[in-house]
Amino acid sequence: LAKTTQPISMDSYEGQEVNITCSHNNIATNDYITWYQQFPSQGPRFIIQGYKTKVTNEVASLFIPADRKSSTLSLPRVSLSDTAVYYCLVGGSQGNLIFGKGTKLSVKP
Amino acid sequence: SAVISQKPSRDICQRGTSLTIQCQVDSQVTMMFWYRQQPGQSLTLIATANQGSEATYESGFVIDKFPISRPNLTFSTLTVSNMSPEDSSIYLCSACPQGPNTEAFFGQGTRLTVV
Repeated sequence: LAKTTQPISMDSYEGQEVNITCSHNNIATNDYITWYQQFPSQGPRFIIQGYKTKVTNEVASLFIPADRKSSTLSLPRVSLSDTAVYYCLVGGSQGNLIFGKGTKLSVKP
Repeated sequence: SAVISQKPSRDICQRGTSLTIQCQVDSQVTMMFWYRQQPGQSLTLIATANQGSEATYESGFVIDKFPISRPNLTFSTLTVSNMSPEDSSIYLCSACPQGPNTEAFFGQGTRLTVV
């Protein structure tokens, strides 16, 4: 399974757009890119998944360049409740997910 | 959407004893997964539990220490055997009810403290 690299932490303010970039140079042809969010004392929660180009849902957008060696999770107008750890995962099509270290996002008032 | 329930939510155990954690999914799933998350760390996959066959363990995890049962398509158990303080961690189960390359759902986790 492809290894992912993302910033350890990021700070933002309420109302700002936050972009978290993940590097996955060894992504395989069949791999999807998936992002999860985890709050303290809870299990991870699915945010968004994509294969190429751009995917958007009600909470986030995912940008994937043509070479698919990286991806960017975009959170529009973050609020305090978006403070969490965000994980970028590649592959694990059967659910056997390999988590990297994640990005700890802190949103300040 | 899917609901994954874990029991117990937390426990404090004596070293040398064993604890069995239960995981129930509200729909039938082919595979269930067990993870460990140590304080302040990311999740580490322990094993994949297949119905009707032995679990598949990741490097660093063995069946004698973490025996897994999968008696049907909605239920699994993970036992943490002969516990030591190093086993203190959060244990989570997960599943992908809608199939490959779809959303994984996680239980709330079992917080285990070994004293």
